[in-house]
Amino acid sequence: DTEVTQTPKHLVMGMTNKKSLKCEQHMGHRAMYWYKQKAKKPPELMFVYSYEKLSINESVPSRFSPECPNSSLLNLHLHALQPEDSALYLCASSQDQGSSSYEQYFGPGTRLTVT
Amino acid sequence: KNQVEQSPQSLIILEGKNCTLQCNYTVSPFSNLRWYKQDTGRGPVSLTIMTFSENTKSNGRYTATLDADTKQSSLHITASQLSDSASYICVVSAWGGGADGLTFGKGTHLIIQP
Repeated sequence: DTEVTQTPKHLVMGMTNKKSLKCEQHMGHRAMYWYKQKAKKPPELMFVYSYEKLSINESVPSRFSPECPNSSLLNLHLHALQPEDSALYLCASSQDQGSSSYEQYFGPGTRLTVT
Repeated sequence: KNQVEQSPQSLIILEGKNCTLQCNYTVSPFSNLRWYKQDTGRGPVSLTIMTFSENTKSNGRYTATLDADTKQSSLHITASQLSDSASYICVVSAWGGGADGLTFGKGTHLIIQP
């Protein structure tokens, strides 16, 4: 199974709402990632978890809060978002984070719209 | 600064024709280069991954080449199909960089017309 799943597929939320994005993989990967992708732009790295610990936070605003409950799950909690946060949010996983040679497997993404 | 430049930005070709997409990079020290296919609103899917010692790799109708000396790569698509319509992203990895050592190109948006 080389699949990364993400839920929900689409999410519309108001600026005062609290919502969460979920990501799951069962490949035994120990590194998981959140990316943000705007239309016609490449993905931008937000967070990296390695062995369930946050290892990289690319200066992401605190209205985005990641959580890694276990080695298979990754959440992204959203609160008080702005319309400019509307984007495709991609989750990815790889065998490990330390080596640049490990393949990253991406999920299908959650299309987020902030109104 | 590590950079990946892709050309063309967009391309329209007729079904059944071949095409070649280009990727130039200035990432150092180079570890590997990946080509991803991304359908609109979906996550990227890996097509090929090449290290500096590999100069060609195929995946079905997709053939990637790498010239580590000139820091150029190409992705050749043979006998295009409507399902090839997507964005193709070149991603270059730096040694020791881990996940934050990946540099993404802006992609080539390919449209296959019947």
